[in-house]
Amino acid sequence: GQQLNQSPQSMFIQEGEDVSMNCTSSSIFNTWLWYKQDPGEGPVLLIALYKAGELTSNGRLTAQFGITRKDSFLNISASIPSDVGIYFCAGRDNYGQNFVFGPGTRLSVLP
Amino acid sequence: DTEVTQTPKHLVMGMTNKKSLKCEQHMGHRAMYWYKQKAKKPPELMFVYSYEKLSINESVPSRFSPECPNSSLLNLHLHALQPEDSALYLCASSQDDTGGDYGYTFGSGTRLTVV
Repeated sequence: GQQLNQSPQSMFIQEGEDVSMNCTSSSIFNTWLWYKQDPGEGPVLLIALYKAGELTSNGRLTAQFGITRKDSFLNISASIPSDVGIYFCAGRDNYGQNFVFGPGTRLSVLP
Repeated sequence: DTEVTQTPKHLVMGMTNKKSLKCEQHMGHRAMYWYKQKAKKPPELMFVYSYEKLSINESVPSRFSPECPNSSLLNLHLHALQPEDSALYLCASSQDDTGGDYGYTFGSGTRLTVV
């Protein structure tokens, strides 16, 4: 079946730093989603991407749909303590009935 | 209303108990889902309901029994669970059963502990 990989698995950064993470797939996807999950809560949708090369922002967050359609990237600028959490990518191909989730990137922000 | 509401938030149950998890959405979404999430892992799909009919059962043991009484409600009935079933159970909904254009809206989850 489809599998997604996320990199890095975890990261520790200083408050104010920029963050980059990515998600890769073994197959071509037509939609990418980025979710954030706080401890003890459900994932919350951050950004949705629908077209290769698309770049979409949501406040300090920017995500890109890779031109190969097998990857996606999420950047967070000027990190703050509330950015702490697990970031999941999810993708769907033309044949998939549902979205497949990546294993997540755990972000810790040090004051 | 853009929320998925789950109750209870926490549940502790014995292995011989019967309990139910409840989920409600009023966004007019036609697909509803149950996911199971273990610590430090992504959500794992259990069941999908599309237009109130069960469309996907991901080989879930029969001690988990889903029910969709109407387009806004989704229940998960639990019976004779094992300690390894302890997890965060997430309900989600979407416009249709492919995830729609905007993916899933998740509830806050029920933290289940089986003792």
